[in-house]
Amino acid sequence: QSALTQPASVSGSPGQSITISCTGTTSDVGGQKYVAWYQHHPGNAPKLMIYDVSSRPSGVSSRFSGSKSGNTASLTISGLQPEDEADYYCSSYTNSRTYVFGTGTKVTVL
Amino acid sequence: EVQLVESGGGLVQPGGSLRLSCVGSGFTFSNYWMTWVRQAPGKGLQWVANIHPHGDEFYYVDSLKGRFTISRDNAKNSLYLQMNSLRADDTAVYYCARIGLTSFDYWGQGSVLTVSS
Repeated sequence: QSALTQPASVSGSPGQSITISCTGTTSDVGGQKYVAWYQHHPGNAPKLMIYDVSSRPSGVSSRFSGSKSGNTASLTISGLQPEDEADYYCSSYTNSRTYVFGTGTKVTVL
Repeated sequence: EVQLVESGGGLVQPGGSLRLSCVGSGFTFSNYWMTWVRQAPGKGLQWVANIHPHGDEFYYVDSLKGRFTISRDNAKNSLYLQMNSLRADDTAVYYCARIGLTSFDYWGQGSVLTVSS
């Protein structure tokens, strides 16, 4: 149950697009349809942004999109806005019927 | 409105025990898998455990098996986490969350556990 690998930080200017990667194994990301992404502003509860690799919950901006290729999932934020500055975590269901989170990525809006 | 409210956190000495609680409202609690997630200071999120709606099926992260026990009381819309043999590295904010089919769709605000002498 090793954590999924994410870049520690990603930054971009307002209006730009950024992509966060999340690399796992065939036991989790590569072998599952159930990859999710969470936005976490420190001090607040995490918020579900993407589920089932690429689906958006009601109320989440269409600027957030998800995809997957092999053992790597990705979250893209288009039209970056100041309020997008937060920590982002991927998560995957696993073949052992457990869950695993990514190491987390701090997004900075320059 | 779905709400999850954790309680029971606090300061515990190493080796001690504590039980966290989480009360759910605004949804049919007994229909959902529930989960605990924690975040140690300066660290990322870590999945801890989850439990079937009926309370008879559960899964844990390997590193906590044997020390932590997840349970629920659907009559009280409550989720619990019993934590034993606590260590300093168990210090964290503990979140309960609802599992909406495949992901954690609603979260509580968290309960802080500090393990220190």
